[in-house]
Amino acid sequence: SAVISQKPSRDICQRGTSLTIQCQVDSQVTMMFWYRQQPGQSLTLIATANQGSEATYESGFVIDKFPISRPNLTFSTLTVSNMSPEDSSIYLCSARLWNTGELFFGEGSRLTVL
Amino acid sequence: EDQVTQSPEALRLQEGESSSLNCSYTVSGLRGLFWYRQDPGKGPEFLFTLYSAGEEKEKERLKATLTKKESFLHITAPKPEDSATYLCAVQASNSGGSNYKLTFGKGTLLTVNP
Repeated sequence: SAVISQKPSRDICQRGTSLTIQCQVDSQVTMMFWYRQQPGQSLTLIATANQGSEATYESGFVIDKFPISRPNLTFSTLTVSNMSPEDSSIYLCSARLWNTGELFFGEGSRLTVL
Repeated sequence: EDQVTQSPEALRLQEGESSSLNCSYTVSGLRGLFWYRQDPGKGPEFLFTLYSAGEEKEKERLKATLTKKESFLHITAPKPEDSATYLCAVQASNSGGSNYKLTFGKGTLLTVNP
């Protein structure tokens, strides 16, 4: 298994500001991802974080709004830019283990935008 | 478009009362089907991966099965600590830009009363 640490675990932000979420994995992983879980909704993939290159974004998500970095194999950041109340959600980091291929999730970062 | 439908949305059981959760899926080529457990305020916890019709996996009181159209999560003699939201997700063989994109259902909220 893997332990995926995210911070902050929760935050309250003002409209128009930006917040960066950090994700650290304690095991060797092949791929890292960022998901969003809105209230009452299923998890939605935002993007695949690629080491040393630009992230691969899913339809409906763009780099200007959700810039992502992955400077090494086990660390990634997601920034939620120019936030609005509609961005209030739980943001989840996930990683695929290199040895089993299983996908593990962090505890999530709950953002509330006022 | 890949689709995952979970039923029921909510299920209330008495301790010891066995039941099943359903996950119906539509994908153009299934690479894997995943079950996760999610407790309030936590990230999803990996339970099982199933790859082909007829496959079964067990873990304690949980047993997951897979057919070509759906998966079942059987819960035998549940205990109150089994109360959680159970999420089903599929990985399609043609996952577009992300070769490991999971499409999630909305989950089944299971409550086990003592």
